[in-house]
Amino acid sequence: GENVEQHPSTLSVQEGDSAVIKCTYSDSASNYFPWYKQELGKGPQLIIDIRSNVGEKKDQRIAVTLNKTAKHFSLHITETQPEDSAVYFCAASPNFGNEKLTFGTGTRLTIIP
Amino acid sequence: DGGITQSPKYLFRKEGQNVTLSCEQNLNHDAMYWYRQDPGQGLRLIYYSQIVNDFQKGDIAEGYSVSREKKESFPLTVTSAQKNPTAFYLCARSRANTNPIYFGEGSWLTVV
Repeated sequence: GENVEQHPSTLSVQEGDSAVIKCTYSDSASNYFPWYKQELGKGPQLIIDIRSNVGEKKDQRIAVTLNKTAKHFSLHITETQPEDSAVYFCAASPNFGNEKLTFGTGTRLTIIP
Repeated sequence: DGGITQSPKYLFRKEGQNVTLSCEQNLNHDAMYWYRQDPGQGLRLIYYSQIVNDFQKGDIAEGYSVSREKKESFPLTVTSAQKNPTAFYLCARSRANTNPIYFGEGSWLTVV
């Protein structure tokens, strides 16, 4: 089955700087890659997702890039703010069902004021 | 609430008891899911349902049971057979099984 590895497990950045979180996946059939943000004690919130027919997707300060050849994808957050502090999860799945969605182990992002 | 409501937020269970976690959605979505989250780990799928009166086991279904008698409701029962039930439980919905998944706020279950 799919294996998703996420790095780093913790990340601290100064407010205003950029943060990058990277994930690798093992199954070349995976073609859907969502990212979730989870605040303490709450459920994960979908913040951005990408399918394998595109290499990059942006939404304001958040972007995701995908390298299918190398089987890795990354989350980029620019101009970080204190409210960006949270745990971020990547995930990967093939197109034939969410039951195959495999999550990474999470990155705890701390924004230092 | 993102169209999905879980209750209770906190639940304590004694050894040997069954407990049921509620999950309700109001967006008429076909697919619903239950995940378990342990500290420092990713989310693991317990059960999922793509249609009323049908559900499938996920990766860690042992010790759990579900029902899908109504489209808007997908309760999860944690049975006494679940050896390590203390965890954060997340219910989720999607329009169909290939659409993005959206989570509820979660329920904390602690065995005392």
